[in-house]
Amino acid sequence: KAGVTQTPRYLIKTRGQQVTLSCSPISGHRSVSWYQQTPGQGLQFLFEYFSETQRNKGNFPGRFSGRQFSNSRSEMNVSTLELGDSALYLCASSLDAVSGYTFGSGTRLTVV
Amino acid sequence: GDSVTQMEGPVTLSEEAFLTINCTYTATGYPSLFWYVQYPGEGLQLLLKATKADDKGSNKGFEATYRKETTSFHLEKGSVQVSDSAVYFCALSGRAAGNKLTFGGGTRVLVKP
Repeated sequence: KAGVTQTPRYLIKTRGQQVTLSCSPISGHRSVSWYQQTPGQGLQFLFEYFSETQRNKGNFPGRFSGRQFSNSRSEMNVSTLELGDSALYLCASSLDAVSGYTFGSGTRLTVV
Repeated sequence: GDSVTQMEGPVTLSEEAFLTINCTYTATGYPSLFWYVQYPGEGLQLLLKATKADDKGSNKGFEATYRKETTSFHLEKGSVQVSDSAVYFCALSGRAAGNKLTFGGGTRVLVKP
């Protein structure tokens, strides 16, 4: 079966711009989570959506937001980009917490 | 809150050597424990998991046992290959925290032929 698909794979944006990243989960998975990976901070949890509702949120500023659609596809948006937002953004989908998460290949965002 | 501590790398080994990566955790209740692997330029792949005390997860020659008494989930492989070169992440999913993975800092493993 198809895995978790993230688009685009690479993105270059200028400071102050906004960006939208997309994630299509594995069919049947209703939970979608987003993580930020940087060399300095490692893997940090952004938020989790389940059945179109944000169920959990990490410690990120309000510039980071997300949503989930009725087909479980999810988007995350970052507004007013800062240089420090440069990172690999990973999306993961799951049936439940016990099953574990399947990750996509990520979107590499570079802010210049 | 929940936290995961794993040994810092890099760990450099020769092919066919024994690999151990230590992982300890702090969590309320009874979390599920995971090992993920990340190859260059890719996302994370689930390597193995354990959901309760004394469970042993295994996959591709890797093993880890959920030790509640020592709050540990050490990863082991008896004979590594060059293809095992990657970054390994220990993680937990605490039920009190909902569906959220808390990761360790990652351990880079380099296997030389």
